Amino acid sequence: TQLLEQSPQFLSIQEGENLTVYCNSSSVFSSLQWYRQEPGEGPVLLVTVVTGGEVKKLKRLTFQFGDARKDSSLHITAAQPGDTGLYLCAGEGGSQGNLIFGKGTKLSVKP
Amino acid sequence: GAVVSQHPSRVICKSGTSVKIECRSLDFQATTMFWYRQFPKQSLMLMATSNEGSKATYEQGVEKDKFLINHASLTLSTLTVTSAHPEDSSFYICSARDAGREGRKQFFGPGTRLTVL
Repeated sequence: TQLLEQSPQFLSIQEGENLTVYCNSSSVFSSLQWYRQEPGEGPVLLVTVVTGGEVKKLKRLTFQFGDARKDSSLHITAAQPGDTGLYLCAGEGGSQGNLIFGKGTKLSVKP
Repeated sequence: GAVVSQHPSRVICKSGTSVKIECRSLDFQATTMFWYRQFPKQSLMLMATSNEGSKATYEQGVEKDKFLINHASLTLSTLTVTSAHPEDSSFYICSARDAGREGRKQFFGPGTRLTVL
């Protein structure tokens, strides 16, 4: 069974601080995706990483896929209150290419 | 980008009744749709995968006779929660994938909040 361990589960920081969220697995994934979800809404795709060692940047967000394609990280620089939300990593696996989600990281950025 | 809608967005029903949730891909044809369930403060758990024109594949522990899935067209999948009970109260989210146009990306709907009294 493929599992994704996401940490930390909760994170409360002040505006302007940096943070990193980790997503780890013992399994190899063909791709890994990061989503952000607001309460009462569906998840919104932020980025997909496919190649081992790949780094993608989205404004203040930096995503990295591990060389072995088993882990990934999301780093946010100078967090803002608008970054508050639930961040989910998901790996493509399963017999039908379905997504396997991590437990999520609930981020709260206080002004 | 691709848009997926869900209807209704919220539903409250009495215990024992059945509830149907629709998932539509608005601007692409979805060969595969996925149904997820999300309990409060938890992540998304895959319930079933449905391919257009064939029977859905259910994840372990998900009762296929209780959660009926129909994917009769390339733009519509429905999830019917039969004889709903309070423990079925959850946030149900669908996603759709168009392998042709967008590779293997999944596009998520906005979710349906089900409350069973």
